[in-house]
Amino acid sequence: TAGITQAPTSQILAAGRSMTLRCTQDMRHNAMYWYRQDLGLGLRLIHYSNTAGTTGKGEVPDGYSVSRANTDDFPLTLASAVPSQTSVYFCASSGLAGVGEQFFGPGTRLTVL
Amino acid sequence: AQKITQTQPGMFVQEKEAVTLDCTYDTSDQSYGLFWYKQPSSGEMIFLIYQGSYDEQNATEGRYSLNFQKARKSANLVISASQLGDSAMYFCAMRSNSGYSTLTFGKGTMLLVSP
Repeated sequence: TAGITQAPTSQILAAGRSMTLRCTQDMRHNAMYWYRQDLGLGLRLIHYSNTAGTTGKGEVPDGYSVSRANTDDFPLTLASAVPSQTSVYFCASSGLAGVGEQFFGPGTRLTVL
Repeated sequence: AQKITQTQPGMFVQEKEAVTLDCTYDTSDQSYGLFWYKQPSSGEMIFLIYQGSYDEQNATEGRYSLNFQKARKSANLVISASQLGDSAMYFCAMRSNSGYSTLTFGKGTMLLVSP
């Protein structure tokens, strides 16, 4: 079972360039989330979506945008990358917002130079 | 605002011993959930255990148990009979059952199990 897939696995990006991190889940979960993980800071929520067609801002949304056109996909876009966006990015999903545990994808390691 | 505090950056334990990883939380909500996740060196996030704020019994999942002390706002993870494969980063997280129901994570505790 695939669960949540993320692409790419890793990427080196020049500052100022744009990039979209892809996230797809096959569990028909309603809620999806994007986190970034930085050493010593744990995981911080960037954006979330409780259901297709809706999105919300998390703790650290600046510089990122998301869309939720359908249930399965939740891409994260960096319009103009900066070095401080160097991080590991995790996508997660849960069956219903506020119910049950969140399932995580394998992560994308992004380096912005 | 919710806050999770994990005061132990690192813990060492010998194989087969029990270990407790501390987690305290701060919230004004009455209904919430507490989670523990494991992150091995391979990087994936693995759900371990869940405790609801209204659950009267402490949650258990195999060798994992959650020592929930509501009045103290603590939700410590107890791992019994540690194994080498338990070496990993452990994150405590909290979800409010009001508002947007997103998870707030602590900064994590690195557990190293020695033979």
